Amino acid sequence: NAGVMQNPRHLVRRRGQEARLRCSPVKGHSHVYWYRQLPEEGLKFMVYLQKENIIDESGMPKERFSAEFPKEGPSILRIQQVVRGDSAAYFCASSPQGSTEAFFGQGTRLTVV
Amino acid sequence: DQQVKQNSPSLSVQEGRISILNCDYTNSMFDYFLWYKKYPAEGPTFLISISSIKDKNEDGRFTVFLNKSAKHLSLHIVPSQPGDSAVYFCAAPGGTSYGKLTFGQGTILTVHP
Repeated sequence: NAGVMQNPRHLVRRRGQEARLRCSPVKGHSHVYWYRQLPEEGLKFMVYLQKENIIDESGMPKERFSAEFPKEGPSILRIQQVVRGDSAAYFCASSPQGSTEAFFGQGTRLTVV
Repeated sequence: DQQVKQNSPSLSVQEGRISILNCDYTNSMFDYFLWYKKYPAEGPTFLISISSIKDKNEDGRFTVFLNKSAKHLSLHIVPSQPGDSAVYFCAAPGGTSYGKLTFGQGTILTVHP
């Protein structure tokens, strides 16, 4: 029974490149959440998705960031034209319908050089 | 606007003694609280939760206390073990889903043998 799987675990991108982070939720979980943790800070909510729908993107930066959770395949967090300030750990979490608990993946550590 | 605050960045205790981690919140609409534990290079894992209709919830060595009038909760670990050394986050869900969490900044707990 696999947990939330995120890949890659580590990603290095040069400024201006695109970063694509993948998240496969726990089997049967229909809700996916993305969080970002900057150094020395707590996790900050970015976006909440259900299959093919963005439910809440109130924590997403207005530009360069996008997320999707297609009918088939993993959820993707895309960061276009990365800048040094995007360097952080990005965590994905999933939960089943109506649950009070979200299960987190191990995160993707993005480094922008 | 830090709605969930953990004012102690770190805590050091001796093995076998009690660890007390504190958390304050400002949003009186929060009605459910969770504690997560995080090891380096891993995602947060759920530890224990409490609903606002209770003032105490216990699970083995872990007890969470909630003081609604003071908007304060605390996590007690007794007896503390070296394996408890980790970062502890308190969190509260709000808005569109229980998975949309507002996290505190975290407290680094170190338990010395």
